[in-house]
Amino acid sequence: EPEVTQTPSHQVTQMGQEVILRCVPISNHLYFYWYRQILGQKVEFLVSFYNNEISEKSEIFDDQFSVERPDGSNFTLKIRSTKLEDSAMYFCASSVGGSWDNEQFFGPGTRLTVL
Amino acid sequence: QQQVKQSPQSLIVQKGGIPIINCAYENTAFDYFPWYQQFPGKGPALLIAIRPDVSEKKEGRFTISFNKSAKQFSLHIMDSQPGDSATYFCAASMIYNQGGKLIFGQGTELSVKP
Repeated sequence: EPEVTQTPSHQVTQMGQEVILRCVPISNHLYFYWYRQILGQKVEFLVSFYNNEISEKSEIFDDQFSVERPDGSNFTLKIRSTKLEDSAMYFCASSVGGSWDNEQFFGPGTRLTVL
Repeated sequence: QQQVKQSPQSLIVQKGGIPIINCAYENTAFDYFPWYQQFPGKGPALLIAIRPDVSEKKEGRFTISFNKSAKQFSLHIMDSQPGDSATYFCAASMIYNQGGKLIFGQGTELSVKP
């Protein structure tokens, strides 16, 4: 069964450093998402991406964040200068379509720890 | 207004019991309400979803009850099994939101004892 994969599973970085989280969405999917979950809190939407541009972003997704689809398979989330409060589990998701009833398939997540 | 409130935070039931997880929302523009199941070390996976034009939806042992006037919906798990032990998230989305953004509840950690 096709699945969304994410690398690395755990990333430890120093405050102020740049990190890139990588995702490989399901191959025929056209919409891509990033969510995050701070430990003990709810899953929060960060950004959605379609046709090589951002469809929607939350207030969390400020200038420190960027997304890119550098090739036909990868989807990345870059945090330019990490802060302690960026420590969270980051989930990538993908869906065939972007409407509300297109199931979003989630990856296993990358745990980001900022020291 | 964009929030979805979920309760309880945790729930313990015996095998065969019927755990019930409740969610409430404020934004009447929400019109798609999925439930996600998450096992440790895995991402959330869609379990069942409902639209507000129906009051109930069943898929196997899982049932969503929806009360549009109260802006509440709930997940019932019939004949619960230890394998159902997981974290459950309710969520909401809007038909006109072409970005497909999901607004999640806080999650409920369910433990089903043998």
